[in-house]
Amino acid sequence: DTGVSQDPRHKITKRGQNVTFRCDPISEHNRLYWYRQTLGQGPEFLTYFQNEAQLEKSRLLSDRFSAERPKGSFSTLEIQRTEQGDSAMYLCASSRGTSYTFGSGTRLTVV
Amino acid sequence: DAKTTQPPSMDCAEGRAANLPCNHSTISGNEYVYWYRQIHSQGPQYIIHGLKNNETNEMASLIITEDRKSSTLILPHATLRDTAVYYCIVGDNYGQNFVFGPGTRLSVLP
Repeated sequence: DTGVSQDPRHKITKRGQNVTFRCDPISEHNRLYWYRQTLGQGPEFLTYFQNEAQLEKSRLLSDRFSAERPKGSFSTLEIQRTEQGDSAMYLCASSRGTSYTFGSGTRLTVV
Repeated sequence: DAKTTQPPSMDCAEGRAANLPCNHSTISGNEYVYWYRQIHSQGPQYIIHGLKNNETNEMASLIITEDRKSSTLILPHATLRDTAVYYCIVGDNYGQNFVFGPGTRLSVLP
């Protein structure tokens, strides 16, 4: 499979717990993006890596959120002390040029 | 905020052409028009993009007005599987983050 892989597909967690999501981009893509999408809305940008460097972060990315991309390969997005408002689909995308390839996303439900 | 405006929803009969409009009156000279679509429970899928010339690929055609302030995505023979939310986005050619609006929900009807 040469697409963008995200794991897990679904996560249900209790409020206050920490969660971590993983994204494996297309191997030759040097750019990796995280987006969040709530019901009925388009995806919202969270953060962006070029290789291992995190180059941009949205103001949506509060202190409870952290993203890493060690060695410029896979990336993780961690949310600490989850809140009900964090419930959303978290999408990862990668690119080398002009167009993104998105993964299928991780749907987070905070109960 | 998104730099594009799209109708919230459209219907199209199966087998007919679907024409999805997008306004982007504040587009900059170096910004491209991109189209993505999202089928329920999946990530957005790239369809096509263009700068100022009309573009065509195996999925769709993109018609950009001469002043570049609007564009139309054309699905020449819509099928039921084309039912999705279609997003029109403007962005540069350097892979910077895209700002998605709410898109157009296209329903292809049998």
